[in-house]
Amino acid sequence: EPEVTQTPSHQVTQMGQEVILRCVPISNHLYFYWYRQILGQKVEFLVSFYNNEISEKSEIFDDQFSVERPDGSNFTLKIRSTKLEDSAMYFCASSVSRTANTEAFFGQGTRLTVV
Amino acid sequence: AQTVTQSQPEMSVQEAETVTLSCTYDTSESDYYLFWYKQPPSRQMILVIRQEAYKQQNATENRFSVNFQKAAKSFSLKISDSQLGDAAMYFCAYRAYSGAGSYQLTFGKGTKLSVIP
Repeated sequence: EPEVTQTPSHQVTQMGQEVILRCVPISNHLYFYWYRQILGQKVEFLVSFYNNEISEKSEIFDDQFSVERPDGSNFTLKIRSTKLEDSAMYFCASSVSRTANTEAFFGQGTRLTVV
Repeated sequence: AQTVTQSQPEMSVQEAETVTLSCTYDTSESDYYLFWYKQPPSRQMILVIRQEAYKQQNATENRFSVNFQKAAKSFSLKISDSQLGDAAMYFCAYRAYSGAGSYQLTFGKGTKLSVIP
């Protein structure tokens, strides 16, 4: 069964460093998303991406964050200068369309620890 | 803004018994979708069941069913004949109807379900 895959599963980085989280969405999906979950908190929307551009982003997704689809298969989330509060589980998701009833398929997440 | 509240951080159920996880939400939209996602220890979030707000009939998927009360903005998940593999974190989520607003999923904080053998 097709699935969304994320790498790495766990990343430890020093404060101020740049990190890139990688995701391979399901191949025929057109809409891509990043969510994050700080430990003990709810899953929060960061950004959605379609047709090589951001279609929607939350207040959390500030100038420190960027997304791109560099090669038509990977979908990446970059955090330019990590802060301690960026420590969280980051989930990538993809969907065939963006109608409200469409299932979003999630990856297994990348646990980011900023020290 | 939409909010989703899961008031039970943890629940436990005896194997083969029935358990109900609660979820309430707040929205000004009239058309929307509600979802329950399961997150087992493998961490991958899996869709369990979805409900269209315009449908009065409660959704069911095998042992999983919902009790959708639109006026009360309540969306509980019932798991019947609980199995050890049901142990997971369960997230309730909301999404506005296409064209009515944001397409993002809004999640609750989750309920950790333990199944006792």
